[in-house]
Amino acid sequence: QKEVEQDPGPLSVPEGAIVSLNCTYSNSAFQYFMWYRQYSRKGPELLMYTYSSGNKEDGRFTAQVDKSSKYISLFIRDSQPSDSATYLCAMSAITGRRALTFGSGTRLQVQP
Amino acid sequence: GAGVSQSPSNKVTEKGKDVELRCDPISGHTALYWYRQSLGQGLEFLIYFQGNSAPDKSGLPSDRFSAERTGGSVSTLTIQRTQQEDSAVYLCASSSWGTNNEQFFGPGTRLTVL
Repeated sequence: QKEVEQDPGPLSVPEGAIVSLNCTYSNSAFQYFMWYRQYSRKGPELLMYTYSSGNKEDGRFTAQVDKSSKYISLFIRDSQPSDSATYLCAMSAITGRRALTFGSGTRLQVQP
Repeated sequence: GAGVSQSPSNKVTEKGKDVELRCDPISGHTALYWYRQSLGQGLEFLIYFQGNSAPDKSGLPSDRFSAERTGGSVSTLTIQRTQQEDSAVYLCASSSWGTNNEQFFGPGTRLTVL
């Protein structure tokens, strides 16, 4: 079983919809949680960063972390065709190995 | 300021040849990471440099892979005697050292081994 599980999709939604993307993880040492957006043939772009549990909002994006359930989410409000990309969750511990462990990515398609 | 840069953007090589991939991190970032992204395996950690500490090489898949970081800045990933299974996108990321671990990625080098 992978340390981080993420539904690969593809997820197709109409423009304006609220999108919910999720990851589950098994390593209780993870404290840093990130969401990256990756367009085709580009490097991952850091979207949201959260430390430990709680919510964080930035414009149309909200990240949530529930450490008790080992579950993280990214919500995209008023989705746009330009949001069509692959979304990767990533996480790491605070001490020791700080390399990120990634989910497999969810491909999102927002239809105009 | 400038982000992480990588060169070349694309590299095609023949099986058995050696290749060198370069990464220029964000200025002032003391931590540098190499990852590999392939279709079957997703994004995998390879090696991590932090300041003058010994690198964390725990993700390197074989002894054909090595990396160095000169002067605490530019890094080179070397793959010797390339194999077809080495074909992937090699990504570099950097971060500042501190209480967070936000890592910023470069555009990657797409390696194709024929």
